[in-house]
Amino acid sequence: GAGVSQSPSNKVTEKGKDVELRCDPISGHTALYWYRQSLGQGLEFLIYFQGNSAPDKSGLPSDRFSAERTGGSVSTLTIQRTQQEDSAVYLCASSLAGLTNEQFFGPGTRLTVL
Amino acid sequence: KQEVTQIPAALSVPEGENLVLNCSFTDSAIYNLQWFRQDPGKGLTSLLLIQSSQREQTSGRLNASLDKSSGRSTLYIAASQPGDSATYLCAAERRTGANNLFFGTGTRLTVIP
Repeated sequence: GAGVSQSPSNKVTEKGKDVELRCDPISGHTALYWYRQSLGQGLEFLIYFQGNSAPDKSGLPSDRFSAERTGGSVSTLTIQRTQQEDSAVYLCASSLAGLTNEQFFGPGTRLTVL
Repeated sequence: KQEVTQIPAALSVPEGENLVLNCSFTDSAIYNLQWFRQDPGKGLTSLLLIQSSQREQTSGRLNASLDKSSGRSTLYIAASQPGDSATYLCAAERRTGANNLFFGTGTRLTVIP
C-alpha cells in the first residue's frame, strides 16, 4: 500500500517569503508528526496531531511555524517570513497510535532559504 | 528532557563482518525504542521497534536489544553487506504527551566490498 507522501520534495525560497509543506499520511493512521532534520542538529520534533484532539505544538521553534490537519488526514506545515536557519529537511510521520505506535516516515521536503 | 546518544558516529567494516551499533538514552521511562535506516537524501525506513516490555526484536540479519534499566539499546547486524551502508538512527518514544520520538544523531555505516 501507499506510504507517507510529502510535497514538494525540494523547495528553494527567498528569505522573508512564506512556504507551505504538505504531508499525506498512511490511510487510517490517526497520529501525524512533523520533524525537522538540520545539519548538526539531528532530528527534532515539531508538532503532533492525534485524531480530533488539539495538536501538541511544544516543538515548534517560533510563532512563524504553524500546522494544520484537515479532516484528520492531510497536514500542511506553514513557515512564515522564512529565515536562513529554517533551511532543513522537514519530515512527516504517521502512526496508528496503538500499542506499538510504530511511526512511518515520508521522504521529506528539503527546504533551502537563500 | 530525553537525550539520546549514538556511538560511534561513523563506522567502516569489511563485507561479511558482524557489527554492533550502540544507543543510550537518559530517561528510562520510554514507551518504545525504534531503529531506523536513512539513505543519503532519503527519508527514514523503520527497521525494528522494541516495546518497553520487550528485551529484543529480530528481523532477518538484524537484532535489536533493549535494556531500560541501563538506558541502552544495541543494533546487531550479522554478515554485513555493502547494501547495509547507510546512517542508522535510534529513537526513544516518550511515554506521555505527544509520544514523539527523541532521536540520536546516528551512526554512519560503510560496508566495504
